[in-house]
Amino acid sequence: GESVGLHLPTLSVQEGDNSIINCAYSNSASDYFIWYKQESGKGPQFIIDIRSNMDKRQGQRVTVLLNKTVKHLSLQIAATQPGDSAVYFCAEGFSNSGYALNFGKGTSLLVTP
Amino acid sequence: KAGVTQTPRYLIKTRGQQVTLSCSPISGHRSVSWYQQTPGQGLQFLFEYFSETQRNKGNFPGRFSGRQFSNSRSEMNVSTLELGDSALYLCASRLLAASTDTQYFGPGTRLTVL
Repeated sequence: GESVGLHLPTLSVQEGDNSIINCAYSNSASDYFIWYKQESGKGPQFIIDIRSNMDKRQGQRVTVLLNKTVKHLSLQIAATQPGDSAVYFCAEGFSNSGYALNFGKGTSLLVTP
Repeated sequence: KAGVTQTPRYLIKTRGQQVTLSCSPISGHRSVSWYQQTPGQGLQFLFEYFSETQRNKGNFPGRFSGRQFSNSRSEMNVSTLELGDSALYLCASRLLAASTDTQYFGPGTRLTVL
């Protein structure tokens, strides 16, 4: 498989629990933020995005929280399932372009039965 | 609808050589972006193409170049390969280049430079 999981912080949760993955971004001018999920051997998969005019956005089983004051993002996954095991990246960019310019190093989420 | 495809999936080259990677976007998508992924640096943006024009470029040396064809397929070239170029190269496509368009990534090309 891919080596993207090496040297990454790891979060281990039990199936059914809620997961919270945190991310600090660097550019205070960024106004567009995205969370991606990457499974071994695959490219990143879009989960959810949020623009800086919002503090919170909800999707299916996922919620993203944005704190611009401290430049912090979090991804909450409700009722975590084994299929959620993957590496999760936050990314920052600009809303006028709509794509990510800078990515975090990622967090490896391991869901145990 | 088929996803983003990248060829080849794996490639081994030696220092000093050059390499060309190919990306076929999702049918109908006109924007293609390229990213480099390494364990040390994570994911880094290389460039984006839309309608055969480069719209934005990341902070990479001129050895990294790309182009897009009229059918939206894109190629990325790296000349004078260095050991540090070993990475997973990811291509992503989106419908247009609008800020609301979601990017869809391909599986990547794993380049190893010996």
